[in-house]
Amino acid sequence: GAGVSQSPSNKVTEKGKDVELRCDPISGHTALYWYRQSLGQGLEFLIYFQGNSAPDKSGLPSDRFSAERTGGSVSTLTIQRTQQEDSAVYLCASTRTNLEQFFGPGTRLTVL
Amino acid sequence: DQQVKQNSPSLSVQEGRISILNCDYTNSMFDYFLWYKKYPAEGPTFLISISSIKDKNEDGRFTVFLNKSAKHLSLHIVPSQPGDSAVYFCAGRNTGTASKLTFGTGTRLQVTL
Repeated sequence: GAGVSQSPSNKVTEKGKDVELRCDPISGHTALYWYRQSLGQGLEFLIYFQGNSAPDKSGLPSDRFSAERTGGSVSTLTIQRTQQEDSAVYLCASTRTNLEQFFGPGTRLTVL
Repeated sequence: DQQVKQNSPSLSVQEGRISILNCDYTNSMFDYFLWYKKYPAEGPTFLISISSIKDKNEDGRFTVFLNKSAKHLSLHIVPSQPGDSAVYFCAGRNTGTASKLTFGTGTRLQVTL
């Protein structure tokens, strides 16, 4: 079966522009996470969706970051007015068990 | 505040030998620890986990050891193979915080011929 997919795989944007990153989780997985990995850093938690519950946004670094999960499936991470420090690989993961998380290949975001 | 630390950014091991990857943590609320493996341009893939009530878990060539008193865990790969060359991330799970994983910065393992 299909794994977690993310699009685009690469995104180059200019400082100040908005970007949208998409995640298609594995069908039937109720939990969805967004992480990011900056150069030389570990994976940093951003936001978590579980079913119809209110998302856990505690990891979002600023109010320029937001995410939605429509219909309990596809999720979109939006970064407004991008800054150079937003450059990173953004990873999405989904799980059914809340233990083993299945990751997508990531979106590499470069802000010039 | 780095709750999960992997102090060795890289490790080189000969094929057939043992690879030992280390991880230290500070958060006593972690109930599971996981190891993920990451190849370039791919997302991390789950490798092995251990419950905080265990001290060892083995799966084929991979064994994870947990020393709770020292807040230390290690991943042993025996024998190491060239295909094991990747970045390995240690992660702790805290069920009190939406089960999100807290990752270390990773150790790049190079298995040489």
